[in-house]
Amino acid sequence: DTEVTQTPKHLVMGMTNKKSLKCEQHMGHRAMYWYKQKAKKPPELMFVYSYEKLSINESVPSRFSPECPNSSLLNLHLHALQPEDSALYLCASSQPQVALYEQYFGPGTRLTVT
Amino acid sequence: AQSVTQLGSHVSVSEGALVLLRCNYSSSVPPYLFWYVQYPNQGLQLLLKYTTGATLVKGINGFEAEFKKSETSFHLTKPSAHMSDAAEYFCAVSRRRGANNLFFGTGTRLTVIP
Repeated sequence: DTEVTQTPKHLVMGMTNKKSLKCEQHMGHRAMYWYKQKAKKPPELMFVYSYEKLSINESVPSRFSPECPNSSLLNLHLHALQPEDSALYLCASSQPQVALYEQYFGPGTRLTVT
Repeated sequence: AQSVTQLGSHVSVSEGALVLLRCNYSSSVPPYLFWYVQYPNQGLQLLLKYTTGATLVKGINGFEAEFKKSETSFHLTKPSAHMSDAAEYFCAVSRRRGANNLFFGTGTRLTVIP
């Protein structure tokens, strides 16, 4: 099984809402990633978890809050988002040496903030 | 600091023609290099990567790339384009040590004309 699943596929939320994105993998990977991708742009790294600990936070606003409950699950909690946060949010996983091990990407959650 | 430059945001080729997508990197030390493909409404998939050893790397779907240190390039080629190759292609780089993350180029959209 080389699949990374993400739910929901689409999400529309208002600026006062609280919602969560979920990512799951069962490949035994110990590194998991959140990326944000705007239309016609490359993915931008947001967070990296390595062995369930946050290892990289790319200066992401606090309205995005990641959580890694266990080695298979990664959540992204959203609160008080802005319309400019509308984007495709991609989750990925790998073994913790990205240079040596392939990152497997999920299909993404397309988020619209109204 | 590392960066990746992809020349040509949009490349069109005829079906059966050679595909050439250009990638140049900037790094103080030779990095690890990757090509990813993204089909519409999907996540990214690794096509190939260069870490060490042979500078001509073969990937999936008939693609290959050559690492040229003297030219700081890692161009992606395929001898004969297929309609199914139409997608967005991203070149990416990672450091050999340290942070567990990728830096993506701005992407090249490949259109295949029947």
